[in-house]
Amino acid sequence: GAVVSQHPSWVICKSGTSVKIECRSLDFQATTMFWYRQFPKQSLMLMATSNEGSKATYEQGVEKDKFLINHASLTLSTLTVTSAHPEDSSFYICSAPLGLLEFFGPGTRLTVL
Amino acid sequence: AQSVTQLDSQVPVFEEAPVELRCNYSSSVSVYLFWYVQYPNQGLQLLLKYLSGSTLVKGINGFEAEFNKSQTSFHLRKPSVHISDTAEYFCAVSESGATNKLIFGTGTLLAVQP
Repeated sequence: GAVVSQHPSWVICKSGTSVKIECRSLDFQATTMFWYRQFPKQSLMLMATSNEGSKATYEQGVEKDKFLINHASLTLSTLTVTSAHPEDSSFYICSAPLGLLEFFGPGTRLTVL
Repeated sequence: AQSVTQLDSQVPVFEEAPVELRCNYSSSVSVYLFWYVQYPNQGLQLLLKYLSGSTLVKGINGFEAEFNKSQTSFHLRKPSVHISDTAEYFCAVSESGATNKLIFGTGTLLAVQP
């Protein structure tokens, strides 16, 4: 089946720094990718839709200047958390659609100290 | 807009017992329905999906679900659970014919005890 990878799998950073998370579709191309955020013991909340060659589409309440998304190629989307604060600590998961199905990456655990 | 309700936040069950995890949805249009499983600190893995056709859907690891349009439900079942089934289970819906934008339920923790 289709495989989506994320890097890094976990990251710890200091408050005020920026963190970049990569999402790659390994064996298929994706013009669209999705970024989700998951708080402990809660469901996934869609943050934004990453579009190759154009601007990302953000869900209501998500700060686009805080969560920068770049869809650099048909297999790579990046999420940069700028000026991270402890409240940004969370589990970030990306996904890429193939046909009618959505394939998820393994997630990135971000801890901001 | 669609929404998904998983009424049970946690379902404890003994090993080898049957289990049902409930999922109800609301939508004004036809939908696709999914069940995903998430093991600790991992991403989501697709268990099964309903796109069209037979309302009884069989998935991986012995799970199955039945789409009931009149009751707007898509409950997940397994006749005999294992310790390894302990995980968080998410029901999700997307609008059929639209982009793959999934709406997730709040999840149900299946806790299998020996």
